[in-house]
Amino acid sequence: DVKVTQSSRYLVKRTGEKVFLECVQDMDHENMFWYRQDPGLGLRLIYFSYDVKMKEKGDIPEGYSVSREKKERFSLILESASTNQTSMYLCASRHRTGGEKTQYFGPGTRLLVL
Amino acid sequence: GQQLNQSPQSMFIQEGEDVSMNCTSSSIFNTWLWYKQEPGEGPVLLIALYKAGELTSNGRLTAQFGITRKDSFLNISASIPSDVGIYFCAGQLGNQFYFGTGTSLTVIP
Repeated sequence: DVKVTQSSRYLVKRTGEKVFLECVQDMDHENMFWYRQDPGLGLRLIYFSYDVKMKEKGDIPEGYSVSREKKERFSLILESASTNQTSMYLCASRHRTGGEKTQYFGPGTRLLVL
Repeated sequence: GQQLNQSPQSMFIQEGEDVSMNCTSSSIFNTWLWYKQEPGEGPVLLIALYKAGELTSNGRLTAQFGITRKDSFLNISASIPSDVGIYFCAGQLGNQFYFGTGTSLTVIP
């Protein structure tokens, strides 16, 4: 069964703190993605990774960085959290090639920055 | 980034009614996906479509990949209260996915 897990369901942080959001998938997927979801704006891509140690900027990378040291784990880092980064963060993964092109999501991390 | 036009934005229906929603794009997609998201949860995949013209069912849900590859629709038949949630379409272009803004469905018992 497909599984994408995220380290926290809810997080409360203060402005200026460094925040780590972790995502793990157990499907041996090459591609992993980080999105944020805000009311009225839908899902917006922050960063994605084709494979281990590879990363590409998405539509809104400013204020974020990522790390992909192992295939199963993709971390999103907020170097200095700001209130406008309060959002729902969703991780997703999929196979790079082959017939199964479907993208699977984790349960989400709801982040509040005070 | 690209966004898909999804309609309607919201629907309020009586239990037992059928529901239809659709997504359109100015770009041609290789894959169309439909997800359902409940409050506080991540999107859950409902149906995946890989070929133009493909019609696929999952229980009471039916989705089609438009012939032009620029649109897709999702139908839910005989709605029940647990169908409540936000339904998203997603289209794949290259290595990226682009999402509709969602259709919020409320089912009145």
